[in-house]
Amino acid sequence: DIVMIQTPLSSPVTLGQPASISCRSSQSLVHSDGNTYLSWLQQRPGQPPRLLIYKISNRFSGVPDRFSGSGAGTDFTLKISRVEAEDVGVYYCMQATQSYTFGQGTKLEIK
Amino acid sequence: EVQLVESGGGLVQPGGSLRLSCAASGFTFSRYWMHWVRQAPGKGLVWVSRINSDGSGTSYADSVKGRFTISRDNAKNTLYLQMNTLRAEDAAVYYCARTTYGAPEYWGQGTLVTVSS
Repeated sequence: DIVMIQTPLSSPVTLGQPASISCRSSQSLVHSDGNTYLSWLQQRPGQPPRLLIYKISNRFSGVPDRFSGSGAGTDFTLKISRVEAEDVGVYYCMQATQSYTFGQGTKLEIK
Repeated sequence: EVQLVESGGGLVQPGGSLRLSCAASGFTFSRYWMHWVRQAPGKGLVWVSRINSDGSGTSYADSVKGRFTISRDNAKNTLYLQMNTLRAEDAAVYYCARTTYGAPEYWGQGTLVTVSS
């Protein structure tokens, strides 16, 4: 099974400042079809998860452009260019290349 | 507007059974793979099961294999999860989700399953 490790597990950030979350997989997420099925999701308190990014770097419909994804192979990053109050919540990476696995989650909070 | 509405959660004794439903609307249900994902109180997301668009292919997490069965009725636009031999560790909010390119695009609000005597 592919294991997804996120760092940090908690990230206190000042409003207006950037934030970055890393996700590392235990093996390459490149599928035999050439795609890399790595997504990022946001879960605000008391809400279901929401898709932000799919296939490493594609923003889902309605997601602000301050969110961006990058990476390749086994190392991936979610960046928020300027954190806003509404970004508070837990962020998960998820792989769908070989079955499906979520990272442990990273809690983003405001300093 | 895409909508997914889960139902069927509740309190069940260890060893008991429960059937969850997920009613879909706002899209052509029969074209999409669907998943169940669960979240224990205060914990992270855990993938449970998925079914392909016509129901001919399914997969399960090892923790539920042999106990849970995913199915769908495309005529009724509904996804199901039959849960048997429930354990305390199955207690969680269960979400259904629609996926494209392996990414869970849309989620329901979830239904709570409590396993306790």
